[in-house]
Amino acid sequence: QVQLLQSGAEVKKPGSSVKVSCKASGDSFSSNAVSWVRQAPGQGLEWMGGIIPMFGVTDYAQNFQGRVTISADESTSTAYMELSSLRSEDTAVYFCARGPYSSGRYYDFNSWGQGTLVTVSS
Amino acid sequence: DIVLTQSPGTLSLSPGERATLSCRASQSVASSFLGWYQQRPGQAPRLLIYGASNRASGVPDRFSGSGSGTDFTLTISRLEPEDFAVYYCHQETFGQGTKVEIK
Repeated sequence: QVQLLQSGAEVKKPGSSVKVSCKASGDSFSSNAVSWVRQAPGQGLEWMGGIIPMFGVTDYAQNFQGRVTISADESTSTAYMELSSLRSEDTAVYFCARGPYSSGRYYDFNSWGQGTLVTVSS
Repeated sequence: DIVLTQSPGTLSLSPGERATLSCRASQSVASSFLGWYQQRPGQAPRLLIYGASNRASGVPDRFSGSGSGTDFTLTISRLEPEDFAVYYCHQETFGQGTKVEIK
């Protein structure tokens, strides 16, 4: 089964950007989609967007349109999530997750990264 | 956009009891894409059920999923200590979660 290893915790200033990485091992990276899901402190899960590495096709949740960029490097089996114009409300744990893609849907997230805490503070 | 509403928000039960969690969609959704996740404190979520009723690999058979259309249910037949956690349903978006706590 694939393992997903995320980059370490970040502390950022309001207005800046953060880029989190998610490296896959143990399985074909391109065979599934990668999603990014965030969880604010004490809150639920929120799907931000996803990418199909084989085709470079991305989809973003409406709440994050224009602020998030998801990319993937097949040569290193790594996906990235960059969030810009950070504000305090973006303080959260960001997870990458792998699963199939079909009919415009990302679903069945059967492998998850360990999570990356991003703290936005002046 | 689909909205998933989970109920109850919190379920207080004792080990050995049966837990029934509900997930209601704002519009009919395809069962094929309905999943349930368990999240323990400080951990990443874990896929429990996919396709509304199929157990993911390694998931004990005390977990079962059912439903179609707009109404879906996750049932834990006999709660074990490790089952006290937060559970989320997902189809394009996540429900707000149901916390199963020890009574």
